[in-house]
This record gives sequence, structure tokens and C-alpha cells, in this order.
Amino acid sequence: GNSVTQMEGPVTLSEEAFLTINCTYTATGYPSLFWYVQYPGEGLQLLLKATKADDKGSNKGFEATYRKETTSFHLEKGSVQVSDSAVYFCALSASGAGSYQLTFGKGTKLSVIP
Amino acid sequence: GAVVSQHPSRVICKSGTSVKIECRSLDFQATTMFWYRQFPKKSLMLMATSNEGSKATYEQGVEKDKFLINHASLTLSTLTVTSAHPEDSSFYICSASVGGGRGGYTFGSGTRLTVV
Repeated sequence: GNSVTQMEGPVTLSEEAFLTINCTYTATGYPSLFWYVQYPGEGLQLLLKATKADDKGSNKGFEATYRKETTSFHLEKGSVQVSDSAVYFCALSASGAGSYQLTFGKGTKLSVIP
Repeated sequence: GAVVSQHPSRVICKSGTSVKIECRSLDFQATTMFWYRQFPKKSLMLMATSNEGSKATYEQGVEKDKFLINHASLTLSTLTVTSAHPEDSSFYICSASVGGGRGGYTFGSGTRLTVV
């Protein structure tokens, strides 16, 4: 079956530090890959996505590249801000039971301190 | 962009009562909606896939009679937690695929259910 493994947190960084959150996946076929962000008490928001190998998703300074050879989709940001504090979920979308379903990683909580 | 409106955002109910959570797609037609449950400090667990006009497909271990899902129109799906108990307290989130599953998903803002 499909699965997503992401690094466990929590991750605590100082403002302007470099961020990497690792994500690897297992899937049949050619999944789409996503990063979602969840701020405290809120639902999920799509941060970025990539639909095929070597695609790079980017948004708000975050980037992730779809690496088929390593089955990875690591999230990076060059300089984090306090406002980036949230839980980040890596996810994949692949066909299952006749419809595309999202499979999530367990989430990584990021805390950025001034 | 595509927006899913989920209500209520918070609800407190007594044990034994039922609670209905609504998700509406505001500017697109959601043929398929997904219902998730999120436990504290855990990832999202897919509960069921809701297809308009047909019965929902439940994931293994999810009680169909307890979590009733109705998707009667292309813009509305509801989740009813029947005879709620404290262990049902959780954060419930709906989502809808946009442009097919490969294009992405839009999520509701979630419902915090507390059963006392």
C-alpha cells in the first residue's frame, strides 16, 4: 500500500535558520506529492505540490523537489520566520478504490524562536 | 481558488447526543469528499470517502453506523457522529479534490468536537 514517512519532530529553529523536513514515500504508479501546513487550531492548507518526477513545488519561500529515484520530497526553506511555526504534513495522492486518496505522514511540528 | 466551508468550527455536546458537521464546496462541484479525523499530536486518519449520490466508502475500523456520511449534492457533504461518547472527541476535517486527485485538495477549516 501507499505510505509516507517524514521526520519526527518537534523541530525548533532560530529565526533565519535553514529548514529541512525530510519526506520519503512508497506508492505504486506515479503519485502526486504535497506539503500541507496546519497552524494551531486550523485546518490544513496546501503549501506546495508536485505532480511528476523532477518537478519543484514552491510557495512562500518553501521548496520541495519530486525525486523519483530516491522516492523523496523533502521540504526546505532558506530562512525561517516565527510565523512559519506550524505542523507540516507530507502527503501523496494516488489512485485507490476508484478515487484518488491522500495518504499523510505523521506531521512535523516546527517551532521558530526569535 | 476552490474553497470548502466547514461548520461548526467547535461544538460541545453531551454523551449520547448526535452532532452533524457540514462541509460545503463554495465555488466548485465536489464529486468526492473525504472525511478525516485527527488525534492530538497525530496525523490525519482517513475515515471515509464520500461520493455524491452513492454510499460512502469507509476505511477499515471506522464504524459506519456511528459516523454517518451523506453526500446528497455536489456541494454538500455531512458527517453525523451518532450517540457521541467522550472517546469521539477529536478534530474532524473534510476535504475535496480539485480538478481530480492529482491537482490537489482543498480542506475545510476543521471541527473541534468535545463530548462531555
